[in-house]
Amino acid sequence: KQEVTQIPAALSVPEGENLVLNCSFTDSAIYNLQWFRQDPGKGLTSLLLIQSSQREQTSGRLNASLDKSSGRSTLYIAASQPGDSATYLCAAYRTGSARQLTFGSGTQLTVLP
Amino acid sequence: DVKVTQSSRYLVKRTGEKVFLECVQDMDHENMFWYRQDPGLGLRLIYFSYDVKMKEKGDIPEGYSVSREKKERFSLILESASTNQTSMYLCASRGQSYNEQFFGPGTRLTVL
Repeated sequence: KQEVTQIPAALSVPEGENLVLNCSFTDSAIYNLQWFRQDPGKGLTSLLLIQSSQREQTSGRLNASLDKSSGRSTLYIAASQPGDSATYLCAAYRTGSARQLTFGSGTQLTVLP
Repeated sequence: DVKVTQSSRYLVKRTGEKVFLECVQDMDHENMFWYRQDPGLGLRLIYFSYDVKMKEKGDIPEGYSVSREKKERFSLILESASTNQTSMYLCASRGQSYNEQFFGPGTRLTVL
C-alpha cells in the first residue's frame, strides 16, 4: 500500500527566500508523481507532473525532482513571493492501481512580506 | 486548458434530504473522481468512474452513490444527508491512467 508523507506540516519563510518542500513515498514502484497547490477554500491546482522516467520537471520558478530509489520528491520554489502562500500537496499513484492517487497531507506555506 | 466545473460552490441542506452534486469536465477524460476533504483527515476518495456507466468504490463510499450517464458528467448523490457529511467535496478528472489529474473548485456542503 502506497503511503505519502509530507514534512513539515507548516513552513514560514521571508519573501525572496528559496525553499524546498519534501514528499516521501513508501512504494518505489511509482508511476508518476504530481504536485498540487491549494488555496484556502478552493480546489487543487496542478503544478507539475513528473513521469516515472524523468528525474525533474520545471515550470517557471518551480522545479520538482523525483528520486524513486530513495522514495523522495522535492518541490523547489525560487525567489518566494507572498502570492506563493498556500498548501502544497504531492500525490503518487497507488500500488497496483493505475487509476487512484494517494495524497500527502500537505505542507502549508506562508511567505512573509 | 482543462476545465472541471462543479454545480455549486456552497450548499446548505437539511438532515435527511437527498443531495446531488454535479461535476462536468470538458476534455473528454475517461476517469472522474469524487473526494471529500476534512481538516486533519486530508483528501479521501469516495467513488471514481473510468468510463460511462462504470464506477468503483473508493475508501469511504458509505452513504454515497454516483452516476455517470455521459462521459463529461459525474454526479455524487447523498441519499439521505447527515451532519457528518458536512465537508468540502472535490471532483477531479484525468485522461489516460497516468496522466495529469485536474480538480474542480470544490463544493462546501453544510448539512444542518
